[in-house]
Amino acid sequence: QKEVEQDPGPLSVPEGAIVSLNCTYSNSAFQYFMWYRQYSRKGPELLMYTYSSGNKEDGRFTAQVDKSSKYISLFIRDSQPSDSATYLCAMSRWNNNDMRFGAGTRLTVKP
Amino acid sequence: EAGVAQSPRYKIIEKRQSVAFWCNPISGHATLYWYQQILGQGPKLLIQFQNNGVVDDSQLPKDRFSAERLKGVDSTLKIQPAKLEDSAVYLCASSLDRDRDSSGANVLTFGAGSRLTVL
Repeated sequence: QKEVEQDPGPLSVPEGAIVSLNCTYSNSAFQYFMWYRQYSRKGPELLMYTYSSGNKEDGRFTAQVDKSSKYISLFIRDSQPSDSATYLCAMSRWNNNDMRFGAGTRLTVKP
Repeated sequence: EAGVAQSPRYKIIEKRQSVAFWCNPISGHATLYWYQQILGQGPKLLIQFQNNGVVDDSQLPKDRFSAERLKGVDSTLKIQPAKLEDSAVYLCASSLDRDRDSSGANVLTFGAGSRLTVL
């Protein structure tokens, strides 16, 4: 079993839709949970991070962490064509910098 | 602030040949990482430096891969000899400090990557 599981998609939605992206993980020692966005032929860029459980909102983006279920989500409201990218979840332990990444979900938002 | 610079962006080589990638991290970032991203997969850490010392190289195939970070700034990643399965994007990233930034998260800034094709 992989430490981090993420459905690779692809996921295609119409502009304005609400997008839900998810990851599950097996290592209960993970404390920091991150979402990276990766455009084609670019490096990943950090979108949001959350420590432990709870929600975090930033504009159209909301990150949720449920440690009891070992499940994290990223919601994108009012999705835009510019949101078309691959979204990678990542997580790390408190004193360990070795982040584990999911495989990434490729999202296309159609005008 | 300038981002993480990597070169070359693209490289095509024959198997058993050698290749080297270069990375210049963000100024002042003490920690530097090399990740391997195979098509359709998430990045996998190869090696992590804190200044010019190796923190973690447990997933680096040391029989063929080597990396160095002289003077604690630039870094090079070398593959010799290359195999077909080394075809991937090699991402360099840097972060402010080995532990955490002031917000508590380990925030990495990635370069655009070096895409290697081994024929």
